[in-house]
Amino acid sequence: EDKVVQSPLSLVVHEGDTVTLNCSYEVTNFRSLLWYKQEKKAPTFLFMLTSSGIEKKSGRLSSILDKKELSSILNITATQTGDSAIYLCAVEAEGRGATNKLIFGTGTLLAVQP
Amino acid sequence: NAGVTQTPKFQVLKTGQSMTLQCAQDMNHEYMSWYRQDPGMGLRLIHYSVGAGITDQGEVPNGYNVSRSTTEDFPLRLLSAAPSQTSVYFCASSYSGTKVSPLHFGNGTRLTVT
Repeated sequence: EDKVVQSPLSLVVHEGDTVTLNCSYEVTNFRSLLWYKQEKKAPTFLFMLTSSGIEKKSGRLSSILDKKELSSILNITATQTGDSAIYLCAVEAEGRGATNKLIFGTGTLLAVQP
Repeated sequence: NAGVTQTPKFQVLKTGQSMTLQCAQDMNHEYMSWYRQDPGMGLRLIHYSVGAGITDQGEVPNGYNVSRSTTEDFPLRLLSAAPSQTSVYFCASSYSGTKVSPLHFGNGTRLTVT
């Protein structure tokens, strides 16, 4: 059965700290891995990583895909209170029929204290 | 550009009542889907559609119906609400009907069934 596991489940840091969030997966016919940030409402898209794009960076956030280890990390440097959110990892894999499927992890709850 | 719009934002139902959660997108996306999000369970796919007139079941379809008469709209119907359907529901869409990421999410509907 396809699964995506995130760790840690939650963590509390202070402003200015650097954090690393982990995502590991077991899926059949991997297509891509995505990171989302969810504050109070809708998850918002951060990064998509594929076999042809295993490293992405945007400001203080960066992510790397390790296809050999079937995992990804999301790094946030110089954290701010606005980074407090649930971070979701999702993996797109080949589905039945013509449509791929997206499998979500349960998320990491990050709290950044001032 | 409104993106993905869900209504209502909140709803309380009694066991056995029925209702429809509305979802509309204005991005001309082929793919639309409904997820439910429960603590410790992550986002789970209820139903999805790859185009007008085409729907299919996801991971947790029981107790829900969908239809897709237009490209823009994808309502989710609860036939006879049960307390186990208390959850936050997200509608999400993407451009392609085959490669489903990245998904664009609505702001969610928080449903409580008493």
